[in-house]
Amino acid sequence: GQQVMQIPQYQHVQEGEDFTTYCNSSTTLSNIQWYKQRPGGHPVFLIQLVKSGEVKKQKRLTFQFGEAKKNSSLHITATQTTDVGTYFCAGKNFGNEKLTFGTGTRLTIIP
Amino acid sequence: NAGVTQTPKFRILKIGQSMTLQCTQDMNHNYMYWYRQDPGMGLKLIYYSVGAGITDKGEVPNGYNVSRSTTEDFPLRLELAAPSQTSVYFCASSYGGAGNTIYFGEGSWLTVV
Repeated sequence: GQQVMQIPQYQHVQEGEDFTTYCNSSTTLSNIQWYKQRPGGHPVFLIQLVKSGEVKKQKRLTFQFGEAKKNSSLHITATQTTDVGTYFCAGKNFGNEKLTFGTGTRLTIIP
Repeated sequence: NAGVTQTPKFRILKIGQSMTLQCTQDMNHNYMYWYRQDPGMGLKLIYYSVGAGITDKGEVPNGYNVSRSTTEDFPLRLELAAPSQTSVYFCASSYGGAGNTIYFGEGSWLTVV
């Protein structure tokens, strides 16, 4: 079945440093979504990417979808303490209405 | 703005007991999902439903049952609880399938002892 892996599993950064998490799918995706889960909380939708090579920005967050639609990345510029949490990608295959969630990257910030 | 509401929030079960996790949404979403999240891990799909009267298995359905008699409600039944079912359970919904935003409930923390 489809597998979606994320690296790194954990990332500790100094406040103000940049952060990147990478998402890789074993199959070609029709779209990919990103979610953020604060400690003790529930996943909250951030963004969806659909087109090959697509890049979207939300303030300090930049999301990319690979040309082959098998990988994606999330980059946060100048991290803040509010960025703490686990970031999940979730991929959808063609002809399938299920999302497969990645393993997640847990971000902690050192003030 | 209730969104997706799950009950109970916390529950301790003894091995072999059964229980139902309740989930209701007020957004008139046709799709509903149950995920489980083990500590420090990602989300695994247990069951999902594309509309009232229609349910289908996800990645990890064993030990669980669901029903969808109305658009709003999607209860998850645990039969003969086992320690391996200790997890956080999230109910979620979306308007349309996986190409749309999925809204999650706040989670139900279940411990089986």
